[in-house]
Amino acid sequence: GQNIDQPTEMTATEGAIVQINCTYQTSGFNGLFWYQQHAGEAPTFLSYNVLDGLEEKGRFSSFLSRSKGYSYLLLKELQMKDSASYLCAVQIYTGGFKTIFGAGTRLFVKA
Amino acid sequence: GAVVSQHPSWVICKSGTSVKIECRSLDFQATTMFWYRQFPKQSLMLMATSNEGSKATYEQGVEKDKFLINHASLTLSTLTVTSAHPEDSSFYICSAGPIGQGENSPLHFGNGTRLTVT
Repeated sequence: GQNIDQPTEMTATEGAIVQINCTYQTSGFNGLFWYQQHAGEAPTFLSYNVLDGLEEKGRFSSFLSRSKGYSYLLLKELQMKDSASYLCAVQIYTGGFKTIFGAGTRLFVKA
Repeated sequence: GAVVSQHPSWVICKSGTSVKIECRSLDFQATTMFWYRQFPKQSLMLMATSNEGSKATYEQGVEKDKFLINHASLTLSTLTVTSAHPEDSSFYICSAGPIGQGENSPLHFGNGTRLTVT
């Protein structure tokens, strides 16, 4: 079966750095996405990794190790508005492409 | 670019009635759209893949006769929840990726529809 695991909740301080981990066991792996979702809203795209390594995008970076089935999202210089859920999502190919999501990590940024 | 419009944003209906949700890609064409459902404090669960001009592909455990999907054009997919019951109350979100950007492009989501069945 397909399985994606990430911590349920995390708390961090404004201005700090936080790392949100994600492990996955899937078949037909075709790439990993990170999305941000505020309560009651649709997810918004943050980053994409298909090759091993680090992808940096402003305050956000994402890392992938396909051999370990592991990814993390790194948020720097945390701001209060970063309080949201962060969803790890894996795109798979099983006769067609589809994206499956982890349960999400709720991040609370405190002053 | 890559805007997905979903309508309605919220709907309240009585048990036993049917509700139709529309998902439109406004500035791109999509042969494939995806329908997700999200319960409170849970993640998005893929319900089905909507294929333009052909039958939808449903995920295991999703009743195709209850959740009717129609993808009649490259810019419109609809999800109809038939004979809705209170347990169908949820947040339904559609998504699509533009043709030509490749399968590795991110999904673009509609704003979701909050369905409450009384």
